[in-house]
Amino acid sequence: EAQVTQNPRYLITVTGKKLTVTCSQNMNHEYMSWYRQDPGLGLRQIYYSMNVEVTDKGDVPEGYKVSRKEKRNFPLILESPSPNQTSLYFCASSLSFSGSIEQYFGPGTRLTVT
Amino acid sequence: AQKVTQAQTEISVVEKEDVTLDCVYETRDTTYYLFWYKQPPSGELVFLIRRNSFDEQNEISGRYSWNFQKSTSSFNFTITASQVVDSAVYFCALSEPIQGAQKLVFGQGTRLTINP
Repeated sequence: EAQVTQNPRYLITVTGKKLTVTCSQNMNHEYMSWYRQDPGLGLRQIYYSMNVEVTDKGDVPEGYKVSRKEKRNFPLILESPSPNQTSLYFCASSLSFSGSIEQYFGPGTRLTVT
Repeated sequence: AQKVTQAQTEISVVEKEDVTLDCVYETRDTTYYLFWYKQPPSGELVFLIRRNSFDEQNEISGRYSWNFQKSTSSFNFTITASQVVDSAVYFCALSEPIQGAQKLVFGQGTRLTINP
């Protein structure tokens, strides 16, 4: 089944404790992206990747890191999480980075930083 | 910069009523794409429709229909004969080209509640 998977789905952590949210797609998609969803703000892009070893910042990259060492994986790293990073996170992928192609979203990861 | 506005934060209707979700966008690009996504209570994002800027034909899919009007920069979504299962948060999004890639710019979302 074609899908985007994220782990963990739920995470409660404390300020400053490094964490990684994994994202994996099995569709051989070139383009992958991370978004965060906050009430009243919709979804905002954090980072994106057009292919292996090619990543770039989105609208809200501060406090986040990403890597794209393999085509299928695009982990999101929070080196020192803070409470303002409490949010719902979505990973997405699409066949290419063309605007005409819809993005497929993972199930979401709900992160709480205390 | 591109912007998507969904002015209706929450809508509540009784089952079988028709309901329209508004979406207004801003862009300087002549070629762009608009999307609608549904987020049911389970939380995942479900793709509903994509429309490119050159195609202003209205689209109908079952009880769902979309009205795209470039003159008013709107891409509204209508659910006819609403059902409880239509309860969800609906997002309108605009594809913005950024350095050769695409970024989805989302509206704030409209929470739709269908009451039995």
